[in-house]
Amino acid sequence: QVQLVESGGGVVQPGRSLRLSCAASGFTFSSSGVHWVRQAPGKGLEWVAVISYDGSDKYYADSVKGRFTISRDTSKNTLYLQMNSLRAEDTAVYYCAKSGGNYALFYYGMDVWGQGTTVTVS
Amino acid sequence: QSALTQPASVSGSPGQSITISCTGTSSDVGGYKYVSWYQQHPGKAPKLMIYDVSNRPSGVSNRFSGSKSGNTASLTISGLQAEDEADYYCSSYTSSSTLVFGGGTKLTVL
Repeated sequence: QVQLVESGGGVVQPGRSLRLSCAASGFTFSSSGVHWVRQAPGKGLEWVAVISYDGSDKYYADSVKGRFTISRDTSKNTLYLQMNSLRAEDTAVYYCAKSGGNYALFYYGMDVWGQGTTVTVS
Repeated sequence: QSALTQPASVSGSPGQSITISCTGTSSDVGGYKYVSWYQQHPGKAPKLMIYDVSNRPSGVSNRFSGSKSGNTASLTISGLQAEDEADYYCSSYTSSSTLVFGGGTKLTVL
């Protein structure tokens, strides 16, 4: 069963840090680009970051650039999002999602999503 | 990067067809064939419905179709069913090597 499971969310004070994890199973993680997407309460989806299948390429939304770092550990089939200097506007449900095609980043869409983990900055 | 523009809401009766538009610029929707559409029911994760403008993933009903003309992409749902009631989001690749989503459209099945 293809699955992504996020963890690490919680309540954190402004200016502090938090690291989210996303455990992958049921597919070849080492061949997949993976994204973080967030959704503030009652709001729409906002793309956060993406990392290539081998970790060599990383791209970020302007709203998090310089504060968030995306990384992956292929040996653990796990994706991470290190979030520093957190702000109230970072409060959201954070989803990880895999790119639909092998080795793809931005095409084929995001075909598998986790259930999300909630981050509250307050 | 500004969000893509979608209507806040659309509605239709069972069996009818509806179309949701997604307007961007030549730096995103108009410049690439990498537009996707997602369906999200309340409290659930998004689900991919269309990728690369007009392609349906395996398992998605052929009642869902996508197209693009210039800077505007469209999602059409034919033969509306009650279970289609959800929020719909478009997304596009951008010239800055990022992704941008639309603001979302709430579909109501009357």
